[in-house]
Amino acid sequence: DTGVSQDPRHKITKRGQNVTFRCDPISEHNRLYWYRQTLGQGPEFLTYFQNEAQLEKSRLLSDRFSAERPKGSFSTLEIQRTEQGDSAMYLCASSPFGEGVQPQHFGDGTRLSIL
Amino acid sequence: DQQVKQNSPSLSVQEGRISILNCDYTNSMFDYFLWYKKYPAEGPTFLISISSIKDKNEDGRFTVFLNKSAKHLSLHIVPSQPGDSAVYFCAASAHSGAGSYQLTFGKGTKLSVIP
Repeated sequence: DTGVSQDPRHKITKRGQNVTFRCDPISEHNRLYWYRQTLGQGPEFLTYFQNEAQLEKSRLLSDRFSAERPKGSFSTLEIQRTEQGDSAMYLCASSPFGEGVQPQHFGDGTRLSIL
Repeated sequence: DQQVKQNSPSLSVQEGRISILNCDYTNSMFDYFLWYKKYPAEGPTFLISISSIKDKNEDGRFTVFLNKSAKHLSLHIVPSQPGDSAVYFCAASAHSGAGSYQLTFGKGTKLSVIP
């Protein structure tokens, strides 16, 4: 399977704990995006990487959130001091670098539940 | 403020008939539009896209129409099949100065194709 891989698929944690999610994009995809989806809504953009550089962050990405993409391969999204409102599906997507818009390919997401 | 709107939360269609899913947008800077299909417990899967310089794009049973003056697009599925039953998301992209082609999604329309 050469699609976008996300780990874990599910995470249940207590409020106040830190959590970290991992995304492995399609190999050779330079662009990597994180989105968050809550019930009844479409995915909402969180942050964008081009290779290892984090070039854009949404206002949704509070200072409790941090994302990295060392060496321009896999990416991690960490949430510190989790809150009830962080419960959501966290989706990772990747696309190749090319002229114009390239369709983004999504992973199956990590579902976070805060107790 | 919702920049991409899918006003029909659900749609039921009989197998073999045409399914028409609608989407409206408000941001004139959007220049690329995509449709994604999502099954439960899976990430969104890219279906078809259209650039703002075109008014129609066709791929097999799927056709997307774009009316820029009305800021409206639609996805036609002909003929509809039971396997098409899923949530369909309309998404739009505007190139940011940082190089991101982040997507703005609607809330989705749940399509049910009845055998």
